[in-house]
Amino acid sequence: KAGVTQTPRYLIKTRGQQVTLSCSPISGHRSVSWYQQTPGQGLQFLFEYFSETQRNKGNFPGRFSGRQFSNSRSEMNVSTLELGDSALYLCASRTTGVTNGYTFGSGTRLTVV
Amino acid sequence: QKEVEQDPGPLSVPEGAIVSLNCTYSNSAFQYFMWYRQYSRKGPELLMYTYSSGNKEDGRFTAQVDKSSKYISLFIRDSQPSDSATYLCAMGPGTGNQFYFGTGTSLTVIP
Repeated sequence: KAGVTQTPRYLIKTRGQQVTLSCSPISGHRSVSWYQQTPGQGLQFLFEYFSETQRNKGNFPGRFSGRQFSNSRSEMNVSTLELGDSALYLCASRTTGVTNGYTFGSGTRLTVV
Repeated sequence: QKEVEQDPGPLSVPEGAIVSLNCTYSNSAFQYFMWYRQYSRKGPELLMYTYSSGNKEDGRFTAQVDKSSKYISLFIRDSQPSDSATYLCAMGPGTGNQFYFGTGTSLTVIP
């Protein structure tokens, strides 16, 4: 079966711009989580969506937002980009069962210049 | 206090060495513990999965959970250059059925 698909794979944006990243989860997975990964901070949790509702949220400013559609696909938006937003953004999906782990996409590499 | 703490490394070992990777956590309610491996330019992949306390072995990999100390470990025996990757621990569930990840430990195995 198809894995978690993230688009685009690479993105270069200018400070002050906004960006939207997309994630298509594994078919049947209703939970989608987003993470930011940098060499300095490692993996940091952004938020999790389940059935179109934000269920959990990490400690990121309001410039970071997301949403989930009825087909479980999710988008993440970052407004007013800063240089420090340069990172690998990972999306992960899972089923509703507690015992199931996450399946990650390959990520979107965002560079802010 | 973070839910999960993981030493970021980097860790560099010679081929054939035994590697020990560790995480500590604060929530005694966590029941499920996982280790993920992430190769460069890829997303993390599930490596090992353990429920509650005890050990689990899979080939050269052993996952160990000590709930009394809130401490989990991943041991890699006879390490290979192909083991070079970032290793992330994860555990839960917590509030809102959330699972918490460590920040990752970068491992390099030198031939």
